[in-house]
Amino acid sequence: KQEVTQIPAALSVPEGENLVLNCSFTDSAIYNLQWFRQDPGKGLTSLLLIQSSQREQTSGRLNASLDKSSGRSTLYIAASQPGDSATYLCAVINQAGTALIFGKGTTLSVSS
Amino acid sequence: DAGVIQSPRHEVTEMGQEVTLRCKPISGHDYLFWYRQTMMRGLELLIYFNNNVPIDDSGMPEDRFSAKMPNASFSTLKIQPSEPRDSAVYFCASSPNGFITEAFFGQGTRLTVV
Repeated sequence: KQEVTQIPAALSVPEGENLVLNCSFTDSAIYNLQWFRQDPGKGLTSLLLIQSSQREQTSGRLNASLDKSSGRSTLYIAASQPGDSATYLCAVINQAGTALIFGKGTTLSVSS
Repeated sequence: DAGVIQSPRHEVTEMGQEVTLRCKPISGHDYLFWYRQTMMRGLELLIYFNNNVPIDDSGMPEDRFSAKMPNASFSTLKIQPSEPRDSAVYFCASSPNGFITEAFFGQGTRLTVV
């Protein structure tokens, strides 16, 4: 059974710092991996989607990498801003494309 | 498109009452998903539909939960009777092509059963 773990559960950094959020999954047979952002009281917003054949995806200050063989993904946020404060969720799609399994997220707080 | 629209945003009900959550997916999306989010268990898939047909309801916790999609633009999740342990945030999401394409989430319904 696929399990997705995100460490740390919470992270506080000062504005301007570069940071890395980690995601690990137990079954490397995945179709793709997605990173989402969730603001308090809001729904999820998709940030980046990495196909299993890709190594990384970039969007603005965000860069997500994928190492399928080791069951790991990282989300790199450059020059963090207070507006980046949110919960970041990692989710993997199984190889058959029939399930989306979420981690419990990392709650990021960026102080000004 | 206005995105996935859920109603109500907040619901407080007494144990034993029937609760109905509503969702309007993005037009043209063939897949609709219902998720539940709690602190303990995170986000869990309850059920999903393809072209209005339920495909996998194995995540529905008990027979007290039921979901319908009478047409392409509307779905309901019903809990009858409700219990305090059903308190959670319920999300609806839609996508063009199942799990392999980007899913768009609604803002959720925060359900509190007292």
